[in-house]
Amino acid sequence: DIQMTQSPSSVSASVGDRVTITCRASRDINSRLAWYQHKPGRAPKVLIYATSSLQSGVPSRFSGSGSGTDFTLTISSLQPEDSATYYCQQINVFPLTFGGGTKVEI
Amino acid sequence: QLQLQESGPRLVKPSETLSLTCTVSGGSFGGDDYYWGWIRQPPGKGLEWIGNIHHTGNTFYYNPSLRSRVTISLDTSKNQFSLSLTSVTAPDTAVYYCARHRGFYPFDYWGQGTLVTVSS
Repeated sequence: DIQMTQSPSSVSASVGDRVTITCRASRDINSRLAWYQHKPGRAPKVLIYATSSLQSGVPSRFSGSGSGTDFTLTISSLQPEDSATYYCQQINVFPLTFGGGTKVEI
Repeated sequence: QLQLQESGPRLVKPSETLSLTCTVSGGSFGGDDYYWGWIRQPPGKGLEWIGNIHHTGNTFYYNPSLRSRVTISLDTSKNQFSLSLTSVTAPDTAVYYCARHRGFYPFDYWGQGTLVTVSS
């Protein structure tokens, strides 16, 4: 199985700050990585797919980058509504695996 | 707009079987390499993928940690797919989500989630 390791587990930042979350895969996942935003009581929402492609309707302040085993989600200017937990997921091979999550607090 | 809705008992006794159904509406149930899956989130913990079934019903994949207890099945006539998890214990208490993904793309449509509690 491919293990996905996210860091940090939590981050506190101010409105307007740049926030970066990293995700490391235990082996190459051919850039088949997605990022989700998850708010309490709601279903997860996909933000980024294929490492860097922005899902339709997602604000452009969200971006993804990386390759091989190391990936990054960046929020360029943090907004109050971005308070949530963020998860990476590899979709390269079964079993599909998620990172442990990063809680972003404003 | 595609919609998914989970249904099933919210309370299951230890050692019994958890059964949930996901009803898909507002869009195509088959075609274009769709997979229908289940994901769960125990209280205070992260997301855990349970398993997927291809829209043809011919291929399925399960989380190795749950494989011995999980079955996912399809009823294409009703646009539904189901989860069965046997011999449940307290750690199986979680919010269970159904969702869709296609090929190497992420889960793009999700149900609202349903909390299932394992307790006597």
